[in-house]
Amino acid sequence: DTGVSQNPRHKITKRGQNVTFRCDPISEHNRLYWYRQTLGQGPEFLTYFQNEAQLEKSRLLSDRFSAERPKGSFSTLEIQRTEQGDSAMYLCASSLGTNQPQHFGDGTRLSIL
Amino acid sequence: AQKITQTQPGMFVQEKEAVTLDCTYDTSDQSYGLFWYKQPSSGEMIFLIYQGSYDEQNATEGRYSLNFQKARKSANLVISASQLGDSAMYFCAMRDQITSGSRLTFGEGTQLTVNP
Repeated sequence: DTGVSQNPRHKITKRGQNVTFRCDPISEHNRLYWYRQTLGQGPEFLTYFQNEAQLEKSRLLSDRFSAERPKGSFSTLEIQRTEQGDSAMYLCASSLGTNQPQHFGDGTRLSIL
Repeated sequence: AQKITQTQPGMFVQEKEAVTLDCTYDTSDQSYGLFWYKQPSSGEMIFLIYQGSYDEQNATEGRYSLNFQKARKSANLVISASQLGDSAMYFCAMRDQITSGSRLTFGEGTQLTVNP
């Protein structure tokens, strides 16, 4: 049983650099979600895909953030011109349907120097 | 407005005892779902249990049960026979049909420590 896979696990970069994270959902799941979690807080929703269509975007997702899910399989989240405030854990989740549990990957921890 | 409230930042329980983690929610939707997740110090979010707003029975999954009181808008997680491995952060989350669509809204979590 393959769960949600995220790469890399950790990313350290300098302020102003671009970073890209990858998420591979559970294979039969057509819904994919990105969340951001800062220390001591619960995850906050960023964006949601159903198959390849990006259906929801949070106001947290500034124009420096972009997400794609080509062909409805894996997804990438790119942050351009990173800022100190972008330091967080970025979590990806997938589900079979709206009322089905979202299953999370182990996350990518981003640290901005 | 806070949609999910977890009022216990930290809880302590003795091994083998039961513990209740509180969660209250706010929604005007009739159709919604409530979820509990466990996050150990290693960071992964582990799904524990789900309760739908129309479910008449309280959800149970092994040692986890959900005390769902719809009129009070509460969905407390009960862990029976606590084990040392239950020490983790626990998050309550909600999805409501109209205002949040498919997204989950999480509370701030409760840090549970199980003492030997």
